[in-house]
Amino acid sequence: GAVVSQHPSRVICKSGTSVKIECRSLDFQATTMFWYRQFPKQSLMLMATSNEGSKATYEQGVEKDKFLINHASLTLSTLTVTSAHPEDSSFYICSARGKLAGGWKYNEQFFGPGTRLTVL
Amino acid sequence: AQKVTQAQTEISVVEKEDVTLDCVYETRDTTYYLFWYKQPPSGELVFLIRRNSFDEQNEISGRYSWNFQKSTSSFNFTITASQVVDSAVYFCALNTGGFKTIFGAGTRLFVKA
Repeated sequence: GAVVSQHPSRVICKSGTSVKIECRSLDFQATTMFWYRQFPKQSLMLMATSNEGSKATYEQGVEKDKFLINHASLTLSTLTVTSAHPEDSSFYICSARGKLAGGWKYNEQFFGPGTRLTVL
Repeated sequence: AQKVTQAQTEISVVEKEDVTLDCVYETRDTTYYLFWYKQPPSGELVFLIRRNSFDEQNEISGRYSWNFQKSTSSFNFTITASQVVDSAVYFCALNTGGFKTIFGAGTRLFVKA
């Protein structure tokens, strides 16, 4: 159990376009989802936290109008990079926590496989 | 403030050598969780271990072992008889309140044949 998927796994787009990345919890209810960004040879940096049905909470320095997060259901969160630019090229990873078959997993996050975004 | 420090940026070893990856953490919370993840070139994070602050028992899983020392705020990871497939970036992480998981900078391990 506790599988998180991301789609697409890789995307290349032109500068100025918007890109949507989906994050799904396949076998559990994800009450909270997290979006991370990882630049080459760097660590994962938390961008935002979203609770199902609520507005996302963004980390300092992350533009909420540029990185739109929607967590409309217990199994799906989306990150839309609006008007993408080359500096937005990065590896985006989502993670989720919530209620599994064995009960709540408060302090455990399950990570998706990541989406590599390249903006030309 | 919470912080995770992985002082070793890169480590290079020859196959079959033992290698220890260091992790030092900072938190004022008495309840917290520590993690180690492996990130191979594909990018996907692979969960290795989770340890809560009340359990200082060391753990061994095959060639992997972890040493948790609250007195020094360290949670070190040792790979015994390293293999080429162990080459990856390893992240130590800290979770204190059920929300944010804070990652260290990562240690890139190269295992040469």
